[in-house]
Amino acid sequence: DAKTTQPPSMDCAEGRAANLPCNHSTISGNEYVYWYRQIHSQGPQYIIHGLKNNETNEMASLIITEDRKSSTLILPHATLRDTAVYYCIVRGGPGNQFYFGTGTSLTVIP
Amino acid sequence: SQTIHQWPATLVQPVGSPLSLECTVEGTSNPNLYWYRQAAGRGLQLLFYSVGIGQISSEVPQNLSASRPQDRQFILSSKKLLLSDSGFYLCAWSGVGLSEQYFGPGTRLTVT
Repeated sequence: DAKTTQPPSMDCAEGRAANLPCNHSTISGNEYVYWYRQIHSQGPQYIIHGLKNNETNEMASLIITEDRKSSTLILPHATLRDTAVYYCIVRGGPGNQFYFGTGTSLTVIP
Repeated sequence: SQTIHQWPATLVQPVGSPLSLECTVEGTSNPNLYWYRQAAGRGLQLLFYSVGIGQISSEVPQNLSASRPQDRQFILSSKKLLLSDSGFYLCAWSGVGLSEQYFGPGTRLTVT
């Protein structure tokens, strides 16, 4: 079962920051937050993950609240190629499997 | 570097026919392997995962089965396809522990 809640869709102007929220209020202390994105008809692409500290890489930043019940993925300068479905995943449980929800469909508008 | 291959890319099969989808990983040893299915407009559903040769765990009861005959080979099969088996099938691999998963290009299966 997916343990996260995301808005079904969002729009963002090209060149602006895209902030994608995710609620994971039942997250356990040893569970990580992962973000993936899926461009139509392709396999999901790993973006970033974190436990409790904020993380940044060449693709995005991940901000996790102090109580860890929510997080935000930030794409600092969205481009048209960032249009995709973004999945927030809490990884944990037996076997440490990934459970994908329905994600947020982000549309970057020119 | 590691790469993951899936074939075929697309497949159209009649109801009641058998199925075999193959996934192979290069550039790593002892990967965890996964099969997911994505129905049209839906999220990904984990079907099977494997932590080693011959070790398969099923997440949901269904018409499909999986096998891992070699360390870096994962096969998804069915003896008789149903219409509801149509979808986008994705294979993924990960290292041990809590490492991220990397996905293959997927196979789009249409059962007619």
